[in-house]
Amino acid sequence: QVQLQQWGAGLLKPSETLSLTCAVYGGSFSGYYWSWIRQAPGKGLEWIGEINLSGNTNFNPSLKSRVTMSVDTSKNQFSLKVKSVTAADTAVYYCAREKVDYVSFDYWGQGTLVTVSS
Amino acid sequence: SYVLTQPSSVSVAPGRTARITCGGNNIETKSVHWYQQKPGQAPVLVVYADSARPSGIPERFSGSNSGDTATLTISRVGAGDEADYYCQVWDKTSDHSGVVFGGGTKLTVL
Repeated sequence: QVQLQQWGAGLLKPSETLSLTCAVYGGSFSGYYWSWIRQAPGKGLEWIGEINLSGNTNFNPSLKSRVTMSVDTSKNQFSLKVKSVTAADTAVYYCAREKVDYVSFDYWGQGTLVTVSS
Repeated sequence: SYVLTQPSSVSVAPGRTARITCGGNNIETKSVHWYQQKPGQAPVLVVYADSARPSGIPERFSGSNSGDTATLTISRVGAGDEADYYCQVWDKTSDHSGVVFGGGTKLTVL
């Protein structure tokens, strides 16, 4: 059974860098794209971007200038960084696996609440 | 960029059928996926590729996609189906490809 476990700092000040990591257990790491998705309090889902085993990335244009993603194949982990955060970046952040055949998300992490406040 | 439009809320009596729509320009040309999200939990994929169900999802959940509207249908609705539902597509344009989510629909079981 595939499990995604994520962690990272939950409280940031404006202008700091958000950093989250997601570890994949119980399934293959290769052959998939891995995404980050966020949800502001009381709001809908927003896709941040994706990365694959080779480090190929694709980002939401609205966040592209501030987002980097990386992958550590030795640990079956992938990571997200968002620089220069503001209160608008306050959200629950999820990592998720994309299905091979269709770009939909079949496994999700538990979510991490990141709050940006001075 | 591509826009998916969902009603903010849908209400249905227990045992009846709920239909949640997802509107988009010529959406029938895209594969539509649906997620159920209960409070404090991560979303769960309930329908993918318009009408396919992942393992473990009851047959009560079904989907269709035609013209400018995709629909998630939940039959014999029970209290446990009360949740937010999101549609999602992959949008590919000449200069960008990416995931698009609808705004979400809150399903209330009366």
